[in-house]
Amino acid sequence: GQQLNQSPQSMFIQEGEDVSMNCTSSSIFNTWLWYKQDPGEGPVLLIALYKAGELTSNGRLTAQFGITRKDSFLNISASIPSDVGIYFCAGPTSGSARQLTFGSGTQLTVLP
Amino acid sequence: NAGVTQTPKFQVLKTGQSMTLQCAQDMNHNSMYWYRQDPGMGLRLIYYSASEGTTDKGEVPNGYNVSRLNKREFSLRLESAAPSQTSVYFCASSFTDRTHGYTFGSGTRLTVV
Repeated sequence: GQQLNQSPQSMFIQEGEDVSMNCTSSSIFNTWLWYKQDPGEGPVLLIALYKAGELTSNGRLTAQFGITRKDSFLNISASIPSDVGIYFCAGPTSGSARQLTFGSGTQLTVLP
Repeated sequence: NAGVTQTPKFQVLKTGQSMTLQCAQDMNHNSMYWYRQDPGMGLRLIYYSASEGTTDKGEVPNGYNVSRLNKREFSLRLESAAPSQTSVYFCASSFTDRTHGYTFGSGTRLTVV
């Protein structure tokens, strides 16, 4: 089945540093979604990408839809303590009209 | 602005007990989903309901049943809980066009002892 590979699995960074994470797939996606899950909460949609090459920002977050349509990247600039959480990428499941496939997540820890 | 509401937030069950997790959404979404989240395994789809009156199996349906009671409500039932079902369960909903993403509830943390 379809799989989304996220890397890194976890990151420990100092407050103020920039963060980069990515998501790759063996198949082409027409949509890429990035979610953040705060500790003890459900995932919340951060950014949606709909076009190859698209670069979209949401505050300090910037995400890009890879040109090959098989990858996507999320960058966080000047990290702050509230950036802590798990970041998931997701895309429409092949062969299904309704489902999303999720990556396994990147756990981000921001050290003071 | 309730969004997706899940109850209960926490539950401890003994092996073999049954229980139903409740989920309701007030966004007039057509589709609803149940996921489980385990450490290092991301989100895995248990069951989903594309529209009122329909349900389909996801990636890990064994040991679970669902009911789409109406457009708003989608429940998940464990008939005979097993320790392997210890997990955090999330309900989500979306419009028919899933490319705009899902809205998730805040989760139910279930422990089976």
